[in-house]
Amino acid sequence: NAGVTQTPKFQVLKTGQSMTLQCAQDMNHEYMSWYRQDPGMGLRLIHYSVGAGITDQGEVPNGYNVSRSTTEDFPLRLLSAAPSQTSVYFCASSFRLPGTSGGARTDTQYFGPGTRLTVL
Amino acid sequence: KQEVTQIPAALSVPEGENLVLNCSFTDSAIYNLQWFRQDPGKGLTSLLLIQSSQREQTSGRLNASLDKSSGRSTLYIAASQPGDSATYLCAVRKTGTASKLTFGTGTRLQVTL
Repeated sequence: NAGVTQTPKFQVLKTGQSMTLQCAQDMNHEYMSWYRQDPGMGLRLIHYSVGAGITDQGEVPNGYNVSRSTTEDFPLRLLSAAPSQTSVYFCASSFRLPGTSGGARTDTQYFGPGTRLTVL
Repeated sequence: KQEVTQIPAALSVPEGENLVLNCSFTDSAIYNLQWFRQDPGKGLTSLLLIQSSQREQTSGRLNASLDKSSGRSTLYIAASQPGDSATYLCAVRKTGTASKLTFGTGTRLQVTL
């Protein structure tokens, strides 16, 4: 398994540009989420999804959109980039609880390698 | 609102020393607590997950404990090695929050030769 993959690794945008950060997982996880990591503030939840077609807002959703058309993919869209969105973005996934089949399940979160975004 | 605090923010120890990292949280209504390791410029790797009904979990030289009533968890690292140098993050999942995690800001550990 590739686990959780994210593209691109690095991106520089100008204020007002839009872009999509890609996230994919091949572990058949129901739950997927996006976090941003800023110095001194820890990771903060942007949006999350409990399954295909279902998304909800996290702690800091403004300026971001998500969709979940398949179990595997959970892209994050920046609508009009602002310097305040300069950050490192992490995608994470986990099984849905409680476990139902195929052995023991936990909601251990698996993280992608991150996308470092700079908005000028 | 759940708040997670990790003290100290940074720690430097000589190789071979046993050490304890601390994590405290304000709302004891948690489903589980997870410890992660983050290397510079990398993503997070899960180390240990403790369910709210458990008191501790062990993996190799790592032992994590949980005292839900007092809002505390500790990560014990035995016989530290330079390869343990990284930032350690704890995160709690609140009961009924569909796998959303609240993170601490981490403890940056350096193990010196």
